[in-house]
Amino acid sequence: GQNIDQPTEMTATEGAIVQINCTYQTSGFNGLFWYQQHAGEAPTFLSYNVLDGLEEKGRFSSFLSRSKGYSYLLLKELQMKDSASYLCAAMDSNYQLIWGAGTKLIIKP
Amino acid sequence: ETGVTQTPRHLVMGMTNKKSLKCEQHLGHNAMYWYKQSAKKPLELMFVYNFKEQTENNSVPSRFSPECPNSSHLFLHLHTLQPEDSALYLCASSQDRGEGRETQYFGPGTRLLVL
Repeated sequence: GQNIDQPTEMTATEGAIVQINCTYQTSGFNGLFWYQQHAGEAPTFLSYNVLDGLEEKGRFSSFLSRSKGYSYLLLKELQMKDSASYLCAAMDSNYQLIWGAGTKLIIKP
Repeated sequence: ETGVTQTPRHLVMGMTNKKSLKCEQHLGHNAMYWYKQSAKKPLELMFVYNFKEQTENNSVPSRFSPECPNSSHLFLHLHTLQPEDSALYLCASSQDRGEGRETQYFGPGTRLLVL
């Protein structure tokens, strides 16, 4: 079957760094997406990885290892506004997104 | 603002009511999606339309009926729903399905409560 695993909840301190992990099993693979979702709002696109390695976008970076079925989202210099759920989704061979349940990130002052 | 709008934002309905959810995208995309989001569960894909044609129906009960009159508008017609259908219903669009243009952009969702 197809499956995405990510931690349910994480807590970090303002100004620190946090890494949110995601492992996936899909029928075929066409890339890995990360989305941010604030409570009561739409998921917003953060990153897309299809090749192995690290992609950096400002304070956010995303890493992919296809051989390990593993990705992580790295958030640096955490701000209170980063408190949100982070959704990991892998695209299978039919271009359908398989979603994780999301990681709720709590930022403390 | 992602370029995808949904109305209404909140909806309360009884099990015998009929209502419709509306989604509109202003991005010039060709594919549109309906998702159901329940608390602490992964997003569940319900329907996919590509160039106005329904390409996927993920075993959704017939009390949910989609309609896509053109590539910018998507509706979800609701009839005789059950309390377990209470959830956030999200609409999304993407440029295409495949060929590196699959990034989906979401609307704010309709929070549905079925009594």
